[in-house]
Amino acid sequence: QTVVTQEPSLTVSPGGTVTLTCASSSGVVTSGNFPNWFQQKPGQAPRTLIYGTTKKHSWAPARFSGSLLGGKAALTLSGVQPEDEAEYHCLLYFGRGLHWVSGGGTKLTVL
Amino acid sequence: QVQLVQSGAELKKPGASVKVSCKASGYTFTNYNIHWVRQAPGQGLEWVGVMEYTGDSYIAYAQRFQGRVTVTRDTSTSTVYLEVSSLRAEDTAIYYCARDSPGGDFDYWGQGTLVTVSS
Repeated sequence: QTVVTQEPSLTVSPGGTVTLTCASSSGVVTSGNFPNWFQQKPGQAPRTLIYGTTKKHSWAPARFSGSLLGGKAALTLSGVQPEDEAEYHCLLYFGRGLHWVSGGGTKLTVL
Repeated sequence: QVQLVQSGAELKKPGASVKVSCKASGYTFTNYNIHWVRQAPGQGLEWVGVMEYTGDSYIAYAQRFQGRVTVTRDTSTSTVYLEVSSLRAEDTAIYYCARDSPGGDFDYWGQGTLVTVSS
């Protein structure tokens, strides 16, 4: 059973930079896992920010970027704004056996 | 504009079944896959299953839901359905549908359907 792990919580100051990561218990995360990153605010549906590791949707602010870092998928926020306070989820693809597996989410606090 | 509109909240007793719908509009229905993802109260997202329209119309489910979950579609109304049987309290969650273009881009999501399982 593959487990995807994210930091449970992170705190960042306004204007700061923070990196959220998404790790797989089955090994190194690669572009073949098609990492997706979603932002979710209370009472709302998830909103996709990043797909295919680095590709960004038109509605995602420029301060959000996706990458692979140290064997994990990563989401970096540069110049954090108060409105970035939210839960962030990653989703990885493991082929037609396991299909898609999500991490537990990271609660980002801007303080 | 692209929209995925889901059916309303449901309250079910343990052992019952529930069928949630997801009606798509604003795009060519058969050009995109539709996934189902659920979120239990205070928990992360959990992938449930997919109906793929590209290629061979493949349907797949997460292993833990095998035999209890069924995804169907009505192409004439651009609607995908998720049925969950033998409901347990642990199935209480918001169920989301999401569109996926080839390459794994979950670009649009439904508003979610709350399914509550309680005696």
